[in-house]
Amino acid sequence: SQTIHQWPATLVQPVGSPLSLECTVEGTSNPNLYWYRQAAGRGLQLLFYSVGIGQISSEVPQNLSASRPQDRQFILSSKKLLLSDSGFYLCAWSEDPAGAYEQYFGPGTRLTVT
Amino acid sequence: AQSVAQPEDQVNVAEGNPLTVKCTYSVSGNPYLFWYVQYPNRGLQFLLKYITGDNLVKGSYGFEAEFNKSQTSFHLKKPSALVSDSALYFCAVRGGSTLGRLYFGRGTQLTVWP
Repeated sequence: SQTIHQWPATLVQPVGSPLSLECTVEGTSNPNLYWYRQAAGRGLQLLFYSVGIGQISSEVPQNLSASRPQDRQFILSSKKLLLSDSGFYLCAWSEDPAGAYEQYFGPGTRLTVT
Repeated sequence: AQSVAQPEDQVNVAEGNPLTVKCTYSVSGNPYLFWYVQYPNRGLQFLLKYITGDNLVKGSYGFEAEFNKSQTSFHLKKPSALVSDSALYFCAVRGGSTLGRLYFGRGTQLTVWP
């Protein structure tokens, strides 16, 4: 069966510090991968998606970046965090690029920028 | 443009009563529709989906949803609510230029009181 991991679970970082969040998927190959941010426990904002190694598309311009160095690894980064980067970050994967298959979400990372 | 509307921020029902969480959508082409549930500080869990076929879709934990093309709706239902059903519910539709991208509603907080 497939599983998705995210770490760390929680993170408190000062403004201006760097960020690295990691997401890995097990039990599948060549998944579509997604990074979302959820603010104030409500709507999800799609940040990045990837259909393959090294292939990253950005949905929203901001000071965040994403990379996919391996087939089942997706990393969210920032060189300098802003207060507005605080939120709940969710990684997700899906099998079918045509979108008929549902996305499966990881447990999330709670980021607080102070 | 693809979009999802969840007109109710909050739904309150008594345990044992039927529940309905509303969702309407706008999408070009045939819709792929999804419902997810989120418990506090957790990732989203997939409940059910409509791709094609029978308009009544059955999913996890006794939930079902009815697809209505003429009303562009996909309401989530359960015949008898449980206190443990209390959570945040998201409706989503697949569409757009991003393959596999889901457009999420803002979420509906369901509270089931004993």
